[in-house]
This record gives sequence, C-alpha cells and structure tokens, in this order.
Amino acid sequence: QKEVEQNSGPLSVPEGAIASLNCTYSDRGSQSFFWYRQYSGKSPELIMSIYSNGDKEDGRFTAQLNKASQYVSLLIRDSQPSDSATYLCAAINYQLIWGAGTKLIIKP
Amino acid sequence: EAGVTQSPTHLIKTRGQQATLRCSPISGHTSVYWYQQALGLGLQFLLWYDEGEERNRGNFPPRFSGRQFPNYSSELNVNALELEDSALYLCASNLQGRNQPQHFGDGTRLSIL
Repeated sequence: QKEVEQNSGPLSVPEGAIASLNCTYSDRGSQSFFWYRQYSGKSPELIMSIYSNGDKEDGRFTAQLNKASQYVSLLIRDSQPSDSATYLCAAINYQLIWGAGTKLIIKP
Repeated sequence: EAGVTQSPTHLIKTRGQQATLRCSPISGHTSVYWYQQALGLGLQFLLWYDEGEERNRGNFPPRFSGRQFPNYSSELNVNALELEDSALYLCASNLQGRNQPQHFGDGTRLSIL
C-alpha cells in the first residue's frame, strides 16, 4: 500500500529559528511532491511543489527532495508565530497520497 | 482567476436526512476530489471525478456518492446521515494527467444533530 509518513508532532520551535519538517514515501514511482499548510478549521493551502532531486527555495521556505532515500523535507527559516499550523506532505504517482500532517508550534 | 468554490459554507442536518454539497473547480481543471476531515483528524479521501467519470473511491460506505457535470462542477451526496458524518468536507481540483497539485476550496462544514 502506498504511504506517506510524517511525524505528527507537535514540533515546537522558538520564534526566529529554523523549523525542519520531514516526510518519507513508499512509492518509488512518485513523480511530484507537495507541501501544504493548514490552519485549524481552514482548508489546506499549497506552499511548495518539488519535482526533482535537490533543493527548491521560495522566500523563507526551502523544500528538499532525495528520491534515492524517498525523503522530502521542508525548512522554514526565521520562523514566525503565524507559521504555527499543520503541514501536510503529499506525493503523486497518478493519484495524490497524503501524509497525516505535522503540527508546528512557533513559540514567541 | 477564481479559485475552487464550495457551497454551502455550513450545513446543519439531523440524523437520517440527506445532504448535498456542491463544488465548482478552477476554470480549466477537469478533476475534482472530495475529502472528509473530522475535527482534529487528517484528510480522508472520498471520491475522485475526472471528465465526468468516477476514477477512484475511498473507504467509505455507498451512502456517500457524487457526480460530475459536463461543466466539471461536482456534487457530493450523503444519504442516511449519521452523527459521525459531522466534519469539514473539502473539494479540490487540478489538471489531471500532469502530476499537478490539488487546489482546495474553503470547505463545507456539515453538522449532524
């Protein structure tokens, strides 16, 4: 069965520090990978897409992909209290498979 | 560009009733996905429609059903409502066949009394 696994957390990070969120996937045929942010009671919002090995940076966010290790990560630099949310990792090979999410808490 | 729109925002029903939720995808998107998210829990995949056809179905009973119209909008129907059906129902759309991300609507919060 195809799976995407994330530590459920909560992950607590001081304001201004780097938050590191990790995800592993079981389907070696996965083509694309996504990180979504979901605030409590709201819908998921796409924040990063990554399609090839290496790093992809967008503002304070960096996504990292290692297909050999079947590992995806999201780094959030200069963490802000507004970054407190649940972060969902997803991998797609024809159909999108979702992780259960990691709850991130940024402490002022 | 308008995003995914869902209606109604909130829906209150009683046990045994039927609920209909609606979704309009982003213009040009042919695939529509439905998810259930109970309070404090993760996304549970319900249904996937593409080009008017049901492509896949999650582990939900047959009283959860839906359809996709020629304009790619979609309906989710839930019959014989039970208390545990209370949840946020999310619709997402994407361009199918190109490993594209899904984009979500704001959801419909269904409460069963």
